[in-house]
Amino acid sequence: KQEVTQIPAALSVPEGENLVLNCSFTDSAIYNLQWFRQDPGKGLTSLLLIQSSQREQTSGRLNASLDKSSGRSTLYIAASQPGDSATYLCAVQSDYKLSFGAGTTVTVRA
Amino acid sequence: NAGVTQTPKFRILKIGQSMTLQCAQDMNHNYMYWYRQDPGMGLKLIYYSVGAGITDKGEVPNGYNVSRSTTEDFPLRLELAAPSQTSVYFCASLMSGSTEAFFGQGTRLTVV
Repeated sequence: KQEVTQIPAALSVPEGENLVLNCSFTDSAIYNLQWFRQDPGKGLTSLLLIQSSQREQTSGRLNASLDKSSGRSTLYIAASQPGDSATYLCAVQSDYKLSFGAGTTVTVRA
Repeated sequence: NAGVTQTPKFRILKIGQSMTLQCAQDMNHNYMYWYRQDPGMGLKLIYYSVGAGITDKGEVPNGYNVSRSTTEDFPLRLELAAPSQTSVYFCASLMSGSTEAFFGQGTRLTVV
């Protein structure tokens, strides 16, 4: 059974600081890994999808890396802004299933 | 292109009542999923389907049923609602072959 862990559970940083969010998974036989953002009381917004054959994926200030052999992914958010405050979830697709971590709740202080 | 559509957005049920949460996707995705999210927690898989006529249990299937008669629709049925089923329910879909997952906006269910 795939287990997905996200550390830390919560993070508070001053505006402008870079954010580093971690995701680890137990079974390296994955198809892809996807990072989502969730605002309070809202649905999930897809941020980045990394295929199992890729090492990283970038979109604007966001960069996600994937090390499949060690079962880890890291989401970097450069020059954080108060609007980046949200919960960030990683999801791993393996077999037919999409398994989620519990998320990291980020607060960016102005 | 509507993506994944869930209805209703909000619902209050009394203990013992039944209801069906609707989920429809227009992307011809073969895989569909139902998750629940309790406050401050991640998403837990209730049921999933890999194609029309094929469904299987996830981590927390007790108290729920699903069907998949068409590629587009994947309704979730709650029988005899209990307070423990108070949660936010999300439906998702993707195409097999390592593609992006798409989510509906969620149904917030309260059982009183």
